[in-house]
Amino acid sequence: EVQLMETGGGLIQPGGSLRLSCTASGVTVSSNYMSWVRQTPGKGLEWVSIIYSDGSTFYTDSVKGRFAISRDNSKNMLHLQMNSLKAEDTAVYYCARTGVGSGYDYFDYWGQGTLVTVSS
Amino acid sequence: DIQMTQSPSSLSASVGDRVTITCRASQSINTYLNWYQQKPGKAPKLLIYAASNLQSGVPSRFSGSGSGTDFTLTISSLQPEDFATYYCQQSHIQRTFGQGTKVESK
Repeated sequence: EVQLMETGGGLIQPGGSLRLSCTASGVTVSSNYMSWVRQTPGKGLEWVSIIYSDGSTFYTDSVKGRFAISRDNSKNMLHLQMNSLKAEDTAVYYCARTGVGSGYDYFDYWGQGTLVTVSS
Repeated sequence: DIQMTQSPSSLSASVGDRVTITCRASQSINTYLNWYQQKPGKAPKLLIYAASNLQSGVPSRFSGSGSGTDFTLTISSLQPEDFATYYCQQSHIQRTFGQGTKVESK
């Protein structure tokens, strides 16, 4: 059974930094595409970042240069380093395994989410 | 950016009803379209991938169709556990979600 559990959320001031972690079981992070997706009441669901099994990384435009996705293969964990945080980064952040096949990809396993609140 | 527009934003239906939700992309996305169901306080759940492929374990009353810019999610006979919010998501260029369609009890 695939399980993903996010940690690291909390209240942070604008301009601050936060590191989210996702601990995986039942799936090998290094062998899979893994993503971060966030959700706000106002903007709904928004894909944030993805890391491919070959280590390639991609980001949505609004976080480029501020966020960094990475993985710890020895601990089977996914991370999201978030710097220069803004109020609009306030959201529930989900870790998601990204299934792939025949050129398609989709978020087939999700964690329970961790809330990040950026406010002074 | 590819914009995804769902309609309606909400609908009221009864158990046993046939429910149809549409999703339109701002440009052609072939069949790079996925559908998710989300219940309050829970993470989204994948229902359909690549426009028409049923995810393992998802009841067959759910189906998806479409290609290019216009897509449909159909629930053939609405069940009590199907009251939720549904999202479409494209994976053709980057990844973007629709704004959601809330299915409520009439």
